[in-house]
Amino acid sequence: EVQLVESGGGLVQPGGSLRLSCAASGFTFSDHYMDWVRQAPGKGLEWIGRTRNKARSYTTEYAASVKGRFTISRDDSKNSLYLQMNSLKTEDTAVYYCARVDHSGCFSLDYWGQGTLVTVSS
Amino acid sequence: DIQMTQSPSSLSASVGDRVTITCRASQGIRNDLDWYQQKPGKAPKRLIYAASSLQSGVPSRFSGSGSGTEFTLTISSLQPEDFATYYCRQHNSYPLTFGGGTKVEIK
Repeated sequence: EVQLVESGGGLVQPGGSLRLSCAASGFTFSDHYMDWVRQAPGKGLEWIGRTRNKARSYTTEYAASVKGRFTISRDDSKNSLYLQMNSLKTEDTAVYYCARVDHSGCFSLDYWGQGTLVTVSS
Repeated sequence: DIQMTQSPSSLSASVGDRVTITCRASQGIRNDLDWYQQKPGKAPKRLIYAASSLQSGVPSRFSGSGSGTEFTLTISSLQPEDFATYYCRQHNSYPLTFGGGTKVEIK
């Protein structure tokens, strides 16, 4: 059974940093691209970034809203995905989801974690 | 960036109704579009991928169509468990973008 479990959320002050983790199981993690998606309270979904797999040199893509502040990384030996968030702003307050990219060719998100809440407030 | 415009933003419908949600892309995206369902407090769930392919396990009352710039998600006969928010997302080009969502409520 595919499982994605996020952790690391919490309360952080503006300007602070936080690192989220996503533990994957039930599939060959190293084969898949992985995305981070967030949802501010009462708002819609926002794609924030992607890491490709080893075959694609672990290259990354980011939304403009987080580029230069957030860094996506992965450790295939630990079946884990990470989101390092620096220079946090109040508008980064959201539930953060990790999601698996379907590698059958359609590049949609076929499995999602349950999410972890990040609150940026003084 | 490709803008995804979903309509309506909300709708009220009764059990058994046929419901159609539209998603328009600001430029052509071939069939690089998915639909997701989200219930309150839960993670989104994939319903449709590649514009019209039904996710395994999703009831056949859900269907997707379209290509290029205009796409639709149709629920042929709304069931109580379908009351949720629905999102489209394009994965044709970066940054990937979601539509604003359509909240389907009970009439």
